[in-house]
Amino acid sequence: SQQGEEDPQALSIQEGENATMNCSYKTSINNLQWYRQNSGRGLVHLILIRSNEREKHSGRLRVTLDTSKKSSSLLITASRAADTASYFCATELATRTYKYIFGTGTRLKVLA
Amino acid sequence: SAVISQKPSRDICQRGTSLTIQCQVDSQVTMMFWYRQQPGQSLTLIATANQGSEATYESGFVIDKFPISRPNLTFSTLTVSNLSPEDSSIYLCSALGQNEKLFFGSGTQLSVL
Repeated sequence: SQQGEEDPQALSIQEGENATMNCSYKTSINNLQWYRQNSGRGLVHLILIRSNEREKHSGRLRVTLDTSKKSSSLLITASRAADTASYFCATELATRTYKYIFGTGTRLKVLA
Repeated sequence: SAVISQKPSRDICQRGTSLTIQCQVDSQVTMMFWYRQQPGQSLTLIATANQGSEATYESGFVIDKFPISRPNLTFSTLTVSNLSPEDSSIYLCSALGQNEKLFFGSGTQLSVL
């Protein structure tokens, strides 16, 4: 079963604007990760945030985690056409199975 | 970071046949996984490939349909057996690297006629 639900399902913005994607999950987690997928092929790891962390940054990416609401957000600032991709959150359950369950994904389109 | 080579990158198969996908990691890893991504959908975990023992399958996936081998810490195969059009998907190999990050192969696009 899907652990994470992401919204919006699709997002279209102009180059230079910020893009925000949200991920909600159902059960307690050990950590949450965000991935990017171009053209339906291999996924690229973006950022990992642990359950005891609230915010992390990496370049133009900012991730927040609210464990009380079981939700996370990914913010991409100053978006570029090259950011066009699908973005997925993935959660590892708190039981430490090392298995990651992926959310439904957000398709981002950045218009030049 | 781990580099994962997955092959074939795509294949077109006839109904009733099987396809074996190979996954090679450039370093030893403890955990390897196989995912399926149906068209326009998210990733669904098929199984955890265990080195030297039977894979651990997720609900809805069985060994007879998706036999998995993992003879060592750098290599795994997934076979999709008795193919039907419903098996048309992207199949992705992944490995758990340092700091609990998942690394992925480039995927195998399977089309079943």
